[in-house]
Amino acid sequence: QVQLVESGGGVVQPGGSLRLSCAASGFIFNTYAMHWVRQAPGKGLEWVAFIRYDGSNKYYADSVKGRFTISRDNSKNTLYLQMNSLRGDDTAVYYCAKALSNFDFWSPFDYWGQGTLVAVSS
Amino acid sequence: DIQMTQSPSTLSASVGDRVTITCRASQSISFWLAWYQQKPGKAPKLLIHKASTLESGVPSRFSGSGSETEFTLTISSLQPDDFATYYCQQYNSYSRTFGQGTKVEIK
Repeated sequence: QVQLVESGGGVVQPGGSLRLSCAASGFIFNTYAMHWVRQAPGKGLEWVAFIRYDGSNKYYADSVKGRFTISRDNSKNTLYLQMNSLRGDDTAVYYCAKALSNFDFWSPFDYWGQGTLVAVSS
Repeated sequence: DIQMTQSPSTLSASVGDRVTITCRASQSISFWLAWYQQKPGKAPKLLIHKASTLESGVPSRFSGSGSETEFTLTISSLQPDDFATYYCQQYNSYSRTFGQGTKVEIK
């Protein structure tokens, strides 16, 4: 069965960095696009970043562009989110999510991880 | 970026009620729209994609309709397990924006 397990969250000071990981299993990882989505406490869902199945295309929300970098290691079935210059409004639960259809750019998210909390605070 | 606006923000209903949630896009997204259900402390769950295609395993009391800029999610007979927050999401552009959510509460 499909499993997505995030790790790497924690408390970080403003201006600091953190790298999130998402370990994937139960599907052919290198054929599916992947996304990061976040949810601030008590708020709605915010899409953060996308990476194509082969890593050749990456897109970001304006709120994180230039500060966050999405990447993947298909040999390790792992997705990453490098977060730099963190701010208070980056505080959220971060989810990794799998695209529904393989090789398909226009695809919603059919599986999500359990989320990892990132708290930016001094 | 494409903006997604849901209404209402909160909905109070009783078990057995027919419930409709609306989602409007700021520009045409064809039928590239999904609906998710989220319960407190849990990850979202995909209910519907391509505006009206029910995801495998989702009860048939859920249905979706619409195209271009106006979409609806309907629950034909609300069940106790359906009290949750629902989000629409467009995937017609590189930026996959969500609506702000609709919380379905017990009346």
